[in-house]
Amino acid sequence: EAGVTQFPSHSVIEKGQTVTLRCDPISGHDNLYWYRRVMGKEIKFLLHFVKESKQDESGMPNNRFLAERTGGTYSTLKVQPAELEDSGVYFCASSQWTSGEYEQFFGPGTRLTVL
Amino acid sequence: GEDVEQSLFLSVREGDSSVINCTYTDSSSTYLYWYKQEPGAGLQLLTYIFSNMDMKQDQRLTVLLNKKDKHLSLRIADTQTGDSAIYFCAERTYNTDKLIFGTGTRLQVFP
Repeated sequence: EAGVTQFPSHSVIEKGQTVTLRCDPISGHDNLYWYRRVMGKEIKFLLHFVKESKQDESGMPNNRFLAERTGGTYSTLKVQPAELEDSGVYFCASSQWTSGEYEQFFGPGTRLTVL
Repeated sequence: GEDVEQSLFLSVREGDSSVINCTYTDSSSTYLYWYKQEPGAGLQLLTYIFSNMDMKQDQRLTVLLNKKDKHLSLRIADTQTGDSAIYFCAERTYNTDKLIFGTGTRLQVFP
């Protein structure tokens, strides 16, 4: 079974440009999460989808960030316009509650560098 | 508030035990996790513990939880070079899926 995949693995853009990150969760997982790690600090929660609905978007830093999950499958995270402080590693995770067990499976991350 | 703290670095000799520590502030945490991140890879769940437990052992891994002091530790017995990675502590409360992570501890194992 394929794990969580993210594209691209790296992205280098200039301040003011737009970047779109993609996450494909594990097939059948209703829950999808975005996190990011900025400059070697803690990994911070951004938001949580249940299928196509935003369950919790309390971690989204500002309105330059737009997350979508049309159809409840893959998700995109768009940053427009990008700022220097947006540089970091963006992780996606997915989960499915089964029989009282719960685990978030993480993708390898997208490293975003804003110059 | 929600805050999870870890020391940044730990260096151990191969074969020794490693102990990685974590403190958290949210007393309503119900699940506490340890994730491992190897270079270029995503976060891999190593183990987790419910807040009503004091200890959990899984092969070379031992997790200890002190709820009174809000302190969590991960002990790796017989540490190997393949254990070199960043280890993240995380907490979750019962009413949310959101994981609150620490800064991560970089474990370096030398021969």
